[in-house]
Amino acid sequence: DTAVSQTPKYLVTQMGNDKSIKCEQNLGHDTMYWYKQDSKKFLKIMFSYNNKELIINETVPNRFSPKSPDKAHLNLHINSLELGDSAVYFCASSLANYNEQFFGPGTRLTVL
Amino acid sequence: SQQGEEDPQALSIQEGENATMNCSYKTSINNLQWYRQNSGRGLVHLILIRSNEREKHSGRLRVTLDTSKKSSSLLITASRAADTASYFCATLSEKLVFGKGTKLTVNP
Repeated sequence: DTAVSQTPKYLVTQMGNDKSIKCEQNLGHDTMYWYKQDSKKFLKIMFSYNNKELIINETVPNRFSPKSPDKAHLNLHINSLELGDSAVYFCASSLANYNEQFFGPGTRLTVL
Repeated sequence: SQQGEEDPQALSIQEGENATMNCSYKTSINNLQWYRQNSGRGLVHLILIRSNEREKHSGRLRVTLDTSKKSSSLLITASRAADTASYFCATLSEKLVFGKGTKLTVNP
């Protein structure tokens, strides 16, 4: 059974569009995260949620809005997509803040 | 701002050899974690070492931590082709910050 799943795996879209990426974990973890990995493989945290509450919101444009309907789900909505948003986005979860993190398979977003 | 810096950026060895990767960081930490990423996949947690620990083992992995030098090393013994991946250190202070990774290639 998949521990942390993301959909879609690939997302190709035009500049200016709005898109969402979904994440679900079945590990019973309290904390979930969104990371962005750029073309140089640099991984940077974007958001962290604990029990549906936002803990960390890095200096991410407000075009990015996370939503956590329950503690097993953390979705990422992106408005007005830009070329620079092209990257691989990873969802992760952990039992407590910043313990061992379990990563999803990633969503490769390409903005044309 | 980036915390961990892995060294070397790339490492190519033969199967059976040992691989050593280093990580240096700048501020005090609560723990340091090592992750592996296979091409096109998510990261997989390998090992976590707390700031009051000096060495930790897990199978063929050995991690050391020297808080006085603000550095850690990951040793993979008797490497296998399946160990080919990128390896990242991540340091925890207020949040978990990842380095840029070491790309390890193990040639059969």
